[in-house]
Amino acid sequence: GAGVSQSPRYKVAKRGQDVALRCDPISGHVSLFWYQQALGQGPEFLTYFQNEAQLDKSGLPSDRFFAERPEGSVSTLKIQRTQQEDSAVYLCASSLAVSGTANNEKLFFGSGTQLSVL
Amino acid sequence: AQSVSQHNHHVILSEAASLELGCNYSYGGTVNLFWYVQYPGQHLQLLLKYFSGDPLVKGIKGFEAEFIKSKFSFNLRKPSVQWSDTAEYFCAYIRRYGGSQGNLIFGKGTKLSVKP
Repeated sequence: GAGVSQSPRYKVAKRGQDVALRCDPISGHVSLFWYQQALGQGPEFLTYFQNEAQLDKSGLPSDRFFAERPEGSVSTLKIQRTQQEDSAVYLCASSLAVSGTANNEKLFFGSGTQLSVL
Repeated sequence: AQSVSQHNHHVILSEAASLELGCNYSYGGTVNLFWYVQYPGQHLQLLLKYFSGDPLVKGIKGFEAEFIKSKFSFNLRKPSVQWSDTAEYFCAYIRRYGGSQGNLIFGKGTKLSVKP
């Protein structure tokens, strides 16, 4: 597609429910990032994939958060047993190049999934 | 801890006014610096970036930013704003160390409202 696509656009979950958020990066993009943006805050890094390999998951806030990119394209961020503090916009970004190279800094962001946990 | 400080949460200007949004980062080593913009209902977009060389960087839509290493700053400027510049602006940086780099660290953002 023309850009990074995320679905669903909005998700309302009851506390304790599991959710899965999908990201379709730009075709051919090697790097994929997930960010969490709480209300009134800037995006905060969650995890990074280079193709199918999850090279950095240092930003995942707890073991309830899990991300995968099994075929090196589409990625899913799963949150188990959601809590109210998980309410945020979850942003996905992709980049053509491998992290650590100059071109990697050109990130293309999706519109995000707004998660509300009641 | 790594951080980016954006001094203003919300800035309100009239059209044709000049704009300067402050940004300071906390890392003393080599960094790459960015400004991203998010227009209402749209995704984050890169406005401009600094890697090396001329510390005055020009971006899209008449925006520019100046990297002042001694002040750890990367302020965004525009001489004359338009109503269409109404958006949220995020300053961000990546640390560079050795042959590697850290992750993109964002500030909390500054909302700019331009009155027609």
